[in-house]
Amino acid sequence: EVQLVESGGGLVQPGGSLRLSCVASGFTFSSNWMTWVRQAPGKGLEWVANINQDGSDTNYVDSVKGRFIISRDNAKNSLHLQMNSLRVGDTAVYYCARDTTKSGDHSYDYWGQGTLVTVSS
Amino acid sequence: DIQMTQSPSTLSASVGDRVTITCRASQSISTWLAWYQQKPGKAPNLLIYKASSLKSGVPSRFSGSGSGTEFTLTISSLQPDDFATYYCQHYISYPLTFGGGTKVEIK
Repeated sequence: EVQLVESGGGLVQPGGSLRLSCVASGFTFSSNWMTWVRQAPGKGLEWVANINQDGSDTNYVDSVKGRFIISRDNAKNSLHLQMNSLRVGDTAVYYCARDTTKSGDHSYDYWGQGTLVTVSS
Repeated sequence: DIQMTQSPSTLSASVGDRVTITCRASQSISTWLAWYQQKPGKAPNLLIYKASSLKSGVPSRFSGSGSGTEFTLTISSLQPDDFATYYCQHYISYPLTFGGGTKVEIK
C-alpha cells in the first residue's frame, strides 16, 4: 500500500524557517517525480514545487522561488521542503504527492495527509 | 501562466442527478488535464488524468472529456459519497495550476 506521511509543520514567525519532510512507503520511491502542493485555509490548491527522480531537476512556483528548496533522499525514501523567509501568505496545509506515472505525467495519484504551516507573529 | 477557470463554483444537485463541471484553460493544454475530488479536512483524490483516463479504482460513473482549452467532468448518477469539491489541474507547463474548485452540494 502506497503511503506518504508528512511532518515538520508548525507555528513560525514571519521571516522564520521550517523544514517539511515526507516519508514514502509501498512503492519504489526513486522511480517517481514528487511534488509539494499547498492549500491556504478555506482556499483552493496551489502547486508549490516538484523534483525529478534523481533530484537533478526542480521547479517552483514564482512566489516561493529563492525562498523554498525541494530535495529528496532516495536512500531514506524521503522528500523535503526547506522553507526560508516565511511570510504570512505561506500559511497553508502542505501536501506531498506522487506523480501518477514514471514518465513525467504530473498528475498526482497518491497524497499525504498534509501538515499545517502557520506563519504568524 | 496558464489560468484554469472552473464553472460553476457551486452546484446544487440531488442523488441520481447527472452532473457536469466545466474547466477552461487560458491557452491550449492538449489533454494534459487532471480532475480531483476533495472532501473537507482530507487530501485530494485523483479521479481522471490525461483528460479522460480513469484512475484505477475510481467508480465508472465519473468520466472526463475534452482537449485544447475546454474540458468536462461528468458524474453520470450522483451518489451520496460524491458531495465534495472538485478541482481541475493542467500539467503542460510550469507553473502547474489548479482551477478554483467546484463545490457540489446537496439540493
